[in-house]
Amino acid sequence: DSGVTQTPKHLITATGQRVTLRCSPRSGDLSVYWYQQSLDQGLQFLIQYYNGEERAKGNILERFSAQQFPDLHSELNLSSLELGDSALYFCASSSRTLSTDTQYFGPGTRLTVL
Amino acid sequence: AQSVTQPDIHITVSEGASLELRCNYSYGATPYLFWYVQSPGQGLQLLLKYFSGDTLVQGIKGFEAEFKRSQSSFNLRKPSVHWSDAAEYFCAVGARGSQGNLIFGKGTKLSVKP
Repeated sequence: DSGVTQTPKHLITATGQRVTLRCSPRSGDLSVYWYQQSLDQGLQFLIQYYNGEERAKGNILERFSAQQFPDLHSELNLSSLELGDSALYFCASSSRTLSTDTQYFGPGTRLTVL
Repeated sequence: AQSVTQPDIHITVSEGASLELRCNYSYGATPYLFWYVQSPGQGLQLLLKYFSGDTLVQGIKGFEAEFKRSQSSFNLRKPSVHWSDAAEYFCAVGARGSQGNLIFGKGTKLSVKP
């Protein structure tokens, strides 16, 4: 158990819909990262937040957005969903912002878009 | 741009045999390097990491990896594989500086024959 929790575990929805994925980081960790794992693209970095502020952006679509709240939990919002958005979405947390800081991964949310 | 290549998509080894998983990276300077393991239905767990110093690093579960600058490689090894090692293994590179995200290879799936 990494100490990172993600809800829900599974999500099935239809094209065009909007969903919210939630992540609670390990106690004391200030950084949250979101990654998408799909069969064709592999594991791709989406976005990083540190103590409530956006820190880095990766291959995140404009239809996707995220935020980190004062209690440090984070939400990833996916809108106008397409079939290709079906993937496993991981959240990871670390104590600071450097890549030398170990990232602890949650179990992921499996999103299926029908 | 930074990139990570794992040339082997799937490897099968017999229980008790030795294992080497290959990883090549592309980065302008000495990168931070990581190996993660993902068991079915689980998140990613850090096996080991290299930042500097001794090029042979020891990790958890009996794994080790060797950084070879001349070959831009960071191969993962284990002298004797156990059935419980069956999983998917990801090599990753982290940027220096304040951006903490990781860039992952496509992964190598390890199957273990009894």
